Amino acid sequence: EAGVVQSPRYKIIEKKQPVAFWCNPISGHNTLYWYRQNLGQGPELLIRYENEEAVDDSQLPKDRFSAERLKGVDSTLKIQPAELGDSAVYLCASSVGEGVPNSPLHFGNGTRLTVT
Amino acid sequence: AQKITQTQPGMFVQEKEAVTLDCTYDTSDPSYGLFWYKQPSSGEMIFLIYQGSYDQQNATEGRYSLNFQKARKSANLVISASQLGDSAMYFCAMREGASGSARQLTFGSGTQLTVLP
Repeated sequence: EAGVVQSPRYKIIEKKQPVAFWCNPISGHNTLYWYRQNLGQGPELLIRYENEEAVDDSQLPKDRFSAERLKGVDSTLKIQPAELGDSAVYLCASSVGEGVPNSPLHFGNGTRLTVT
Repeated sequence: AQKITQTQPGMFVQEKEAVTLDCTYDTSDPSYGLFWYKQPSSGEMIFLIYQGSYDQQNATEGRYSLNFQKARKSANLVISASQLGDSAMYFCAMREGASGSARQLTFGSGTQLTVLP
């Protein structure tokens, strides 16, 4: 099966510019996650979707970050405007839905964002 | 309080030797799962092994095994017969709640493992 696909792989932008990341999860995976990973640290959850519904966005900085998952499949994460502190790797992951507590998260290769 | 603590920022092991990577966790939920991931320098997160809170036996997957000590709230990863390709960052993560409740993983800060030839 195809894995989680993310694009772009790398992005360099100037501060105050907008940026968007795209994610295509594994087919049939109802749950989609966006994580942010700062250098030398573990991933931190930004938002979790169950199908098209955002069920946990408590860690998403809503003043500048937004996300959507149209039709419960692909998802985009947007930052507008970007700040220097947003430089990080943005990871998308997916997992099967209800009833499988041992289901791991399957991660994409991530988008490395550099804000200058 | 940190939910997942990995106290070893870096570890070195000789090729073919075994190594233990430490992980302690904090939760008041009786139902939880513990996961280990490997992240090579290329960046992808690779799932290695899972241990459920109600599992009676320690999980094993090939050269990976989990030393699960529930009373101590520790879930240490043991890699046997280390290979050069095992050099990577290793993350411990926890999912709290029974099926149907919170399903995100909370990650520790990781341990950088270097296998020496």
